[in-house]
Amino acid sequence: EPEVTQTPSHQVTQMGQEVILRCVPISNHLYFYWYRQILGQKVEFLVSFYNNEISEKSEIFDDQFSVERPDGSNFTLKIRSTKLEDSAMYFCASKRQGGQPQHFGDGTRLSIL
Amino acid sequence: GQQVMQIPQYQHVQEGEDFTTYCNSSTTLSNIQWYKQRPGGHPVFLIQLVKSGEVKKQKRLTFQFGEAKKNSSLHITATQTTDVGTYFCAGGRRGSQGNLIFGKGTKLSVKP
Repeated sequence: EPEVTQTPSHQVTQMGQEVILRCVPISNHLYFYWYRQILGQKVEFLVSFYNNEISEKSEIFDDQFSVERPDGSNFTLKIRSTKLEDSAMYFCASKRQGGQPQHFGDGTRLSIL
Repeated sequence: GQQVMQIPQYQHVQEGEDFTTYCNSSTTLSNIQWYKQRPGGHPVFLIQLVKSGEVKKQKRLTFQFGEAKKNSSLHITATQTTDVGTYFCAGGRRGSQGNLIFGKGTKLSVKP
């Protein structure tokens, strides 16, 4: 069964550094999402992406965050200047079309030192 | 902002007992989805409910969507140790591109 793949599985970064989290959504999917989950807490929506542009973003997704789909397969989340509170598990998800369920990747654990 | 409340936060049961988790949204949802997350794992999709009053079953799991499309429940009959994990409901917002508002989850532990 096709999967959403995320790399790296764990990223350790110094505070203030830029970090890029990578995702390869399922190949025929059209909608892409980033979520984060701080340890022990609920999953929080960050941003949705459709038709090569952001369709919706949450309050968490401020100017420090950006997303790109640089080619036909990758979907990246960039955090420009990381803060300690950015430490969390970041999940990428994708779905084929409206009304379909979202499929989540295994996540990237981001640790900010 | 829109919130999805989920209770209880934790549930400890003896194997064979039933388990129920409840979700309540502050606004009407377009749909509700349920996910299971094992420790260290990612959310795994279980089911989606769309229609008012909808009931769906998956073996020992029964999912309900309220008539007003603001609440939902997941009931597990005769729990097994393999049911251990955190169960999240996630509400789909009307008019959105499908982004999900997750509840805080119910962490289920099952004692053999």
